[in-house]
Amino acid sequence: LAKTTQPVSMDSYEGQEVNITCSHNNIATNDYITWYQQFPSQGPRFIIQGYKTKVTNEVASLFIPADRKSSTLSLPRVSLSDTAVYYCLVGVSGNTPLVFGKGTRLSVIA
Amino acid sequence: NAGVTQTPKFRVLKTGQSMTLLCAQDMNHEYMYWYRQDPGMGLRLIHYSVGEGTTAKGEVPDGYNVSRLKKQNFLLGLESAAPSQTSVYFCASSYGLAVLAKNIQYFGAGTRLSVL
Repeated sequence: LAKTTQPVSMDSYEGQEVNITCSHNNIATNDYITWYQQFPSQGPRFIIQGYKTKVTNEVASLFIPADRKSSTLSLPRVSLSDTAVYYCLVGVSGNTPLVFGKGTRLSVIA
Repeated sequence: NAGVTQTPKFRVLKTGQSMTLLCAQDMNHEYMYWYRQDPGMGLRLIHYSVGEGTTAKGEVPDGYNVSRLKKQNFLLGLESAAPSQTSVYFCASSYGLAVLAKNIQYFGAGTRLSVL
């Protein structure tokens, strides 16, 4: 399983763009990169997934460079409600479950 | 759409008591998972199942047992609860090997368990 490294915590003011980078140096050819968001007292929820280049949905964008050894989750114009823990997971669909690390705790300040 | 439902939502046990946590999903998912989350920590996988009648150990399986008798249900049992098992337990499910779904996990709301 590809090991991931991401910052423990980040602070941001409302309205700013937040970029959270995840390092995964030993990513395998078939691995996808998936990000989850967890609000306090709730289960994690899927926010975005990608394999290469850029993926965008209504919640976030995911940037993946050509070597795929890292990825960046971008949250545009964050609000207080974006305060949460963000997890980066790397792996494929298959029999081996992906591993959740400790994630990045994002605090949005008014 | 119910998604993943966990019961109970809260429970307090005394050391040595037993209990079963129930997870039910209505998405026809093949894979199901049980995690525990301690304060300030990420999720740690306890057991998982890749199909009806099959289970496998995760990172922290000791002190827990599971069963997947029906595709839609995944039960987590504590035979003799210990204070170290005080935690929030999350159940999740996913399509598994379905290529299009890329194994995205859907989580329940969690069960908060205190063992005194």
